[in-house]
Amino acid sequence: EVQLLESGGGLGQPGGSLRLSCAASGFSFRTYAMSWVRQAPGKGLEWVSIISGSGGSTYYADSVKGRFTISRDNSKNTLYLQMNSLRDEDTAVYYCARDARYSGSNPSTMVSWGQGTMVTVSS
Amino acid sequence: EIVLTQSPATLSLSPGERATLSCRASQTVSSYVAWYQQKPGQSPRLLIYDASNRATGIPARFSGSGSGTDFTLTISSLEPEDFAVYYCQQRRAFGQGTKVEIK
Repeated sequence: EVQLLESGGGLGQPGGSLRLSCAASGFSFRTYAMSWVRQAPGKGLEWVSIISGSGGSTYYADSVKGRFTISRDNSKNTLYLQMNSLRDEDTAVYYCARDARYSGSNPSTMVSWGQGTMVTVSS
Repeated sequence: EIVLTQSPATLSLSPGERATLSCRASQTVSSYVAWYQQKPGQSPRLLIYDASNRATGIPARFSGSGSGTDFTLTISSLEPEDFAVYYCQQRRAFGQGTKVEIK
């Protein structure tokens, strides 16, 4: 059974940093691209970033480019999102999602999703 | 940049009725359109991929169709557990969602 378990959410200050993790199990982690998708309270889904199976290629939404960094450790089956220069508008539930493909500059189908971790940016 | 527009925003129907949800793209897209279901307090769940293929374990009452700029998710006969928000997605873009609520 595929499992994706996010952690690391919480309260962050404007201009501050947080690091999210997503522990994966039940599939060959290194074989698939992984994305982060967020959902602000009461709002829809917004794609944030994607990383290839090897970790060698990364892409970002314009809203987070230059502030967020996606990475992965295939030896630990874990995906990360380093969030710097936090803004109020980054407040959201952050989901990690397994892509249907190994790589790509855009997500294809997001096949499996974690339960999400809440990030609140506030002073 | 592709923009996906879903309609209607809210669909009020009774169990057993047919639901037809629309997703329109701002430009011609490939058929790599997916549909997701999200219930309150839960993460999204993949229903349909590549416009018309049901994901593993998805009941046959869910079907997808469309090409070019117009895509449709149909639920042939609503079950109580189907009342939820539905999103379409193509590449980086998500639609804003259609809420299917009990009439």
